[in-house]
Parts: sequence; C-alpha cells; structure tokens
Amino acid sequence: IQLTQSPSFLSASVGDRVTITCRASQGISSYLAWYQQKPGKAPKLLIYAASTLQSGVPSRFSGSGSGTEFTLTISSLQPEDFATYYCQQLNSYPLITFGQGTRLEIK
Amino acid sequence: EVQLVESGGGLVQPGGSLRLSCAASGFTFSSYAMSWVRQAPGKGLEWVSAISGSGGSTYYADSVKGRFTISRDNSKNTLYLQMNSLRAEDTAVYYCAKDPPLGYCSGGSCYDWGQGTLVTVSS
Repeated sequence: IQLTQSPSFLSASVGDRVTITCRASQGISSYLAWYQQKPGKAPKLLIYAASTLQSGVPSRFSGSGSGTEFTLTISSLQPEDFATYYCQQLNSYPLITFGQGTRLEIK
Repeated sequence: EVQLVESGGGLVQPGGSLRLSCAASGFTFSSYAMSWVRQAPGKGLEWVSAISGSGGSTYYADSVKGRFTISRDNSKNTLYLQMNSLRAEDTAVYYCAKDPPLGYCSGGSCYDWGQGTLVTVSS
C-alpha cells in the first residue's frame, strides 16, 4: 500500500492554520497514524486511528478521514511545530508503510 | 516506561556485514512483535523488517529480503538485525520499534521507538 502526502514542503507562519493530506493507494479503513519528527530525533506519535489524539499532544493537532484520504490539521501553528510530518498505514500490518513526509518550515 | 536502545551501527564497506542490536526494557519483551525501520540521510521512513513475539514469524521489505535477517533472544530482551551484502543505499539510521499489541494503534498504544543507530556503507 502506497501513501502519498501533499504537499511535500510547506512554508507557513506562526498562528497559521495548516492542513496536510495523505492519500492511500487502496482503502485502509482508519488504520492510519501521524507522526512528527524533528532533526536527529525519533518520530513522535501525534494521532492514531486516523483521528484519535495521542495523550499529551496539544489539541491544536487534529486528524480526520477514512478509506483512502486523510488529513492532519494544525489549527494555529506554534514555533515548536516546525518539523517534518509523516503518515503511516497499519492496514497491512506488519508490512506497514509511510508517506514520503511533509516538511513544515517557518515563512 | 518503554526503553529501546540500539547499538552496533558504524562504517562498513560495500558487500560487508553488520549486526545491529536493540536492548529492550520496561515491558514484557516476549509478548510483543518488534520491527526495524530505517531512514536514509535527508529521506523518509522505510519499514525494513518485523518479527513476532515468539520469533516464529518474520517479515521483510523487498529491498532487504535475502540479505537481512531479523531475530530475537527473549531471554536477553534483545532484538537483532543481521545485515549482509550491504550496499550504499542501505546507509541510514536504523530504528528499533515495539509494535502495537494488536497490530493496530489503540488505547494510546502504538509504535514505540528507540533513538536509532547510524549505519554507513561506503568504501
């Protein structure tokens, strides 16, 4: 199962609302997670089951979608949110796959 | 608290071999499937291999099948990745991960990650 994220690169300002899309090559129900990764660090789980916010993650992060199209939304960007974001599908577990990533940079 | 500590990375020549280890603690190791995920410099995440809790079932990405072998020693709470016939394109940070208990994320439990170990394949 292939996952395609868009955009691959996003430039935004503090306070902006941003949305990242992840499209699956076939239906994956809600078996999708979103991760945030900062340079030199392991990925950090933000959202699982497409829309469930992981404990401790700020409520400005939200996820939606099912089937083949999913979105991650950050309602009001904070300085610490500038990072790379990945979607991950678990429908074909254990043969999981990731999207190619979306790099979010400060405008 | 789950802790995963990878070791064994380093510089190796093309065609060479390397064995990575991942020491696990903070959970009942034998009850969980485990995976290796890698990330080439400046690139995205790529799943490499997975193994069931008992070690009886193993899975590989096509890119490493026949060259890499995943294994585990439940008596030592340690996961391994034996990498043979290494190529330049295998250069990456290799992460050890604890799989979610049911094969999908639920109840706040998803993949737990180590900090990674860098493998560089170069002459």
